[in-house]
Amino acid sequence: LAKTTQPISMDSYEGQEVNITCSHNNIATNDYITWYQQFPSQGPRFIIQGYKTKVTNEVASLFIPADRKSSTLSLPRVSLSDTAVYYCLVGDSHTGFQKLVFGTGTRLLVSP
Amino acid sequence: DVKVTQSSRYLVKRTGEKVFLECVQDMDHENMFWYRQDPGLGLRLIYFSYDVKMKEKGDIPEGYSVSREKKERFSLILESASTNQTSMYLCASSTSGGSNTGELFFGEGSRLTVL
Repeated sequence: LAKTTQPISMDSYEGQEVNITCSHNNIATNDYITWYQQFPSQGPRFIIQGYKTKVTNEVASLFIPADRKSSTLSLPRVSLSDTAVYYCLVGDSHTGFQKLVFGTGTRLLVSP
Repeated sequence: DVKVTQSSRYLVKRTGEKVFLECVQDMDHENMFWYRQDPGLGLRLIYFSYDVKMKEKGDIPEGYSVSREKKERFSLILESASTNQTSMYLCASSTSGGSNTGELFFGEGSRLTVL
């Protein structure tokens, strides 16, 4: 299973763009990259998923370089409510993503 | 909306007690999962199931068992609770195959304290 490495924590201010990078050097051909967000006392929530290049939705963008050994979650103009833990996962679409491995995540603190 | 419901938000049990944590999902998902979450360790997979009566060990199955008699229900069992099983337990479900993203839908968690 591909292992991921993320920064333990990041600090930002309201209105700034935040980029969280995840490395996954041994990502496999069938693996997708998925990001989750978790607030205290809640289960994680799906944010975005991609395979290569760039994916954008109403919440975030995901940038994946050609070698796919890393990925960057971009949160535009963060607010206080974006304070949460963000997890990067890699998973195999052929197995239905059955054994997604969560790391320790990145704790983002957004200040006024 | 997909709903994953865990039977208890907070439980306090004594060492040696048998503990049942119940999870029900209402979206006819094939896959169901049990994770535990501890400070500094992130989420760790205990067991998962991809079909009724099927189960697979995750990364930390020791001290736990599971039951999936019906598609919508996945139970986590601690046969003899120990203090090192004090944790937040999270249930999740997902659907399989095709072009799905494998998105996991989580319950709100069950915080278990073993005294």
